[in-house]
Amino acid sequence: KAGVTQTPRYLIKTRGQQVTLSCSPISGHRSVSWYQQTPGQGLQFLFEYFSETQRNKGNFPGRFSGRQFSNSRSEMNVSTLELGDSALYLCASSWTGSQAYEQYFGPGTRLTVT
Amino acid sequence: KNEVEQSPQNLTAQEGEFITINCSYSVGISALHWLQQHPGGGIVSLFMLSSGKKKHGRLIATINIQEKHSSLHITASHPRDSAVYICAPGGADGLTFGKGTHLIIQP
Repeated sequence: KAGVTQTPRYLIKTRGQQVTLSCSPISGHRSVSWYQQTPGQGLQFLFEYFSETQRNKGNFPGRFSGRQFSNSRSEMNVSTLELGDSALYLCASSWTGSQAYEQYFGPGTRLTVT
Repeated sequence: KNEVEQSPQNLTAQEGEFITINCSYSVGISALHWLQQHPGGGIVSLFMLSSGKKKHGRLIATINIQEKHSSLHITASHPRDSAVYICAPGGADGLTFGKGTHLIIQP
């Protein structure tokens, strides 16, 4: 069974631009969660989607948004990029939700904002 | 908001030693995850537990829900165990993460 895939793996953007990251979960998994990892703040929860609905959202500004498609693939978008958005963005999939089911992480997308 | 404290932050040990990493949290949870992250960023889920104890090979995880505390133990540690270990309590608002324990096992 294929693991969680994320594209692209690396990305360099300029302040003010927007970016879209993609995550394909393990086949059969209906929940996708997104996380941001920075050296200063560590891992932080961004949002969780289940069956195309956002079920939970972390404490991030509205510039961060996401969606999930009917095939469970998910995208996250960051608009008006800031230098502080440089981070490793990870997605994870599970059967129904992060709290009670094992999470399977993708390799991450490393975003650099210049 | 769930406050998560992990200790120690850094740990260097010799091959073969018994390792313990502790995690305390402030808010009741439905389950707690232990994660392993190697250099380069890849994260692997080691355990997800909501009570008692689980064992996978040389790794053991325990949780005391009443005391809001969990421990991860590594028996007969090996240099390939060198990684960052992160605990992540899960509640109604999703996962909250500890800062991680940077473990180095020297041969």
